[in-house]
Amino acid sequence: GNSVTQMEGPVTLSEEAFLTINCTYTATGYPSLFWYVQYPGEGLQLLLKATKADDKGSNKGFEATYRKETTSFHLEKGSVQVSDSAVYFCALSPGSARQLTFGSGTQLTVLP
Amino acid sequence: GAVVSQHPSWVICKSGTSVKIECRSLDFQATTMFWYRQFPKQSLMLMATSNEGSKATYEQGVEKDKFLINHASLTLSTLTVTSAHPEDSSFYICSAPGLLGSYEQYFGPGTRLTVT
Repeated sequence: GNSVTQMEGPVTLSEEAFLTINCTYTATGYPSLFWYVQYPGEGLQLLLKATKADDKGSNKGFEATYRKETTSFHLEKGSVQVSDSAVYFCALSPGSARQLTFGSGTQLTVLP
Repeated sequence: GAVVSQHPSWVICKSGTSVKIECRSLDFQATTMFWYRQFPKQSLMLMATSNEGSKATYEQGVEKDKFLINHASLTLSTLTVTSAHPEDSSFYICSAPGLLGSYEQYFGPGTRLTVT
C-alpha cells in the first residue's frame, strides 16, 4: 500500500535559518505529492504540490521537488520566519482519487 | 478560500454514550467529504469517504456500525461515534475536496474527543 515517511520532530530553528524537512514515500504508479501546513487552532492548508516527476512546487518561499528516483519530496525554505511556526505534513494522493495518505507531521518552531 | 467548519471543537463524554461530530462546508457544496482520525504525534488516517445521498465508503479496519456517517446535504456530513470507549479518544478531522482537477482539499479544524 501507499505510505509516507516524514522526518521526526520537533524542529526548532532561529529566524532566518535554513529549513529542510525530509519526506519519502512508497506508492504504486505515479502519485501526486503535497505539503500541508497546520497553524495552531486552524485546519490543514495546502502549502504546495507536485503532480509529476521533476515538478517543483513552491509557495511562500517554500519549495519541494518531486524526485521519482529517490521517492522523495523534501520541503525547504531558505530563511524561516517566526510566522512559519506550525506543523507540516507530507502527503500523497493516487492520481485523482484525492484520498490522502499522510506522514506523521513535523512540528516546526522558529525563535526570534 | 473555501472554509470547512467542525462542531464541536472538543467534547468529553462517558463510556457507552454516543457523540455526533458535524462537518460543514460554509461557502461551497461538497458531494464528497473525507473523515480522518489522528492519534497524538501520528499521521492522519483516512477512516471513510462520505458521499452525499448515498452510503459512506469505509476504509479497511474501520467499524461502520461504530462510526456512523451521514451526508444528508451538500454542505453537511456527520460522524457519530456510537457506544464510545476510551480507545475512541482521538482527534477527528474532516475535509472536502475542491474543484475537480484542482487537487485542493479543504480541512476542518478538527474535533478533540475524550471518552472517560
